[in-house]
Amino acid sequence: DAGVIQSPRHEVTEMGQEVTLRCKPISGHDYLFWYRQTMMRGLELLIYFNNNVPIDDSGMPEDRFSAKMPNASFSTLKIQPSEPRDSAVYFCASSPAQTQYFGPGTRLTVL
Amino acid sequence: RKEVEQDPGPFNVPEGATVAFNCTYSNSASQSFFWYRQDCRKEPKLLMSVYSSGNEDGRFTAQLNRASQYISLLIRDSKLSDSATYLCVVKNTGGFKTIFGAGTRLFVKA
Repeated sequence: DAGVIQSPRHEVTEMGQEVTLRCKPISGHDYLFWYRQTMMRGLELLIYFNNNVPIDDSGMPEDRFSAKMPNASFSTLKIQPSEPRDSAVYFCASSPAQTQYFGPGTRLTVL
Repeated sequence: RKEVEQDPGPFNVPEGATVAFNCTYSNSASQSFFWYRQDCRKEPKLLMSVYSSGNEDGRFTAQLNRASQYISLLIRDSKLSDSATYLCVVKNTGGFKTIFGAGTRLFVKA
């Protein structure tokens, strides 16, 4: 069974550009999480969904960040406009209950 | 004060050693506790859940002390392959919001 799939794996963009990160959760998992990891701040929960509905977006840093989950098999995290301080690894995770299964992450560099 | 705090290490130990990590949490209403492992440039993966009575999985033992609000992870007979960052994870009541500690780095040397 395929795990959580994220794309792209690496993204390099220039400040001001729009960035869209994609995630396909494990089939049958009702929960989907977006995290950001940096050396300075560690792993931070940005937002999570339950049955495609956003439940808690208190970790989203500012209005430049938005996340959607149009169906059970797909979610996006969008940054518009991007800034150098957004450079980080962004992980998507899905969960049927307690255990979270992480994707391989998207390494984002904003120049 | 951070909601979940860990000693960042690094812990440098020889093969075969026993090593212990502690983690403290600030929210007394926290409901569930876990240890995740993260290898360099990889995603975190669940190592084990932490139960109130303590639990063991092979060489790994996890303990929870609700009164003092800390959890611990003990690794016996360390292997080279145990080298990784160990993340303490706390889930609060009323939802699935998950707080990760900053992680403790472990290096096991031959």
